[in-house]
Amino acid sequence: EAGVAQSPRYKIIEKRQSVAFWCNPISGHATLYWYQQILGQGPKLLIQFQNNGVVDDSQLPKDRFSAERLKGVDSTLKIQPAKLEDSAVYLCAGGGLLDTQYFGPGTRLTVL
Amino acid sequence: EDKVVQSPLSLVVHEGDTVTLNCSYEVTNFRSLLWYKQEKKAPTFLFMLTSSGIEKKSGRLSSILDKKELFSILNITATQTGDSAVYLCAVLGADGLTFGKGTHLIIQP
Repeated sequence: EAGVAQSPRYKIIEKRQSVAFWCNPISGHATLYWYQQILGQGPKLLIQFQNNGVVDDSQLPKDRFSAERLKGVDSTLKIQPAKLEDSAVYLCAGGGLLDTQYFGPGTRLTVL
Repeated sequence: EDKVVQSPLSLVVHEGDTVTLNCSYEVTNFRSLLWYKQEKKAPTFLFMLTSSGIEKKSGRLSSILDKKELFSILNITATQTGDSAVYLCAVLGADGLTFGKGTHLIIQP
């Protein structure tokens, strides 16, 4: 079984620039999550999809962050414009059986 | 707002020691508690606990949940240097999956 794929693995941008991350969960996982993990903290949920619909985006800073999962498979997360405090690892996870979540390798974003 | 508190935040022990990591929580509509191990990459799933008093075991790792006192522990016996990692506790509730800050475990040879 292939794991959760994310790209890019690393990204360095300047503040006010835009950036997009891509995630392809494990085949058959209808639920997809995006998390932000700041250094030294646990992951924080940004948005949860069930198929191509949004279940929870209450912690997504909607003035600058957006996410979509148009065909209910892969997903993109965008930040526009980026701020220094957006520097973090962005994790994507797919929902498996019994609420377990399987994480991708993450994208490490550095905003200068 | 759901809360998950882990302790200690960091722990240094010698190889062969036994460690106990703690996780307490306040959550609305509790569904499950999960433990993850995180090295220099994404978290990897260890255990999911839903019922009180039933120990989950995998090799030298074990975990148990107390839903009355709202906490869980993760035990690691005969620790090895490869156990060095951040151990994350997460609780699934009304707010979705809420993570603690993790316990940074360092195993010295």
